[in-house]
Amino acid sequence: QKEVEQDPGPLSVPEGAIVSLNCTYSNSAFQYFMWYRQYSRKGPELLMYTYSSGNKEDGRFTAQVDKSSKYISLFIRDSQPSDSATYLCAMNYGLSGANNLFFGTGTRLTVIP
Amino acid sequence: EPEVTQTPSHQVTQMGQEVILRCVPISNHLYFYWYRQILGQKVEFLVSFYNNEISEKSEIFDDQFSVERPDGSNFTLKIRSTKLEDSAMYFCARAVKRNTEAFFGQGTRLTVV
Repeated sequence: QKEVEQDPGPLSVPEGAIVSLNCTYSNSAFQYFMWYRQYSRKGPELLMYTYSSGNKEDGRFTAQVDKSSKYISLFIRDSQPSDSATYLCAMNYGLSGANNLFFGTGTRLTVIP
Repeated sequence: EPEVTQTPSHQVTQMGQEVILRCVPISNHLYFYWYRQILGQKVEFLVSFYNNEISEKSEIFDDQFSVERPDGSNFTLKIRSTKLEDSAMYFCARAVKRNTEAFFGQGTRLTVV
């Protein structure tokens, strides 16, 4: 299933760096876009969700959606060692929440102190 | 964030045996979902459940799978006759409403031998 593509990494950055995580998708019917963070041995935790194209900011995190290019991004500013986790993009057709989400493979991020 | 509890955390079963995975409810959470993640692969949607009925299911959710929430008790996923390829992490997610944030549990690791 290649509807959602995500670079699996791993990605290592020094503390304080700006991190850019990306996903591409093929199905133009996707409307809601989400980013989840998953720590080892834990379930996915919703970080941000956006609807349609544009930017959304929450603290150090910015989610960006470009529907014309079928491309979404998550930026993390001033990265911290506690940000070390796997980041999953996810999307679905007509609803937010967790119904029928299509996930990327996840990008494993390590922030080095 | 409401904690979502899944039991057991790890289950080992022989091929062909039935397993039941459980998700402990919170009273105001009405929407339930099951996802699975085979090692090294994407998180995949299995089924959504509301008002004691399946709302939506994926192609993965075939006749060997069933879900129920008898009398408002635990939300369960039953796999009738396990196969080796059923080995995966199974995540339960719950939400108050269909289009609100869903909270994932920590998962049950199912190993079929």
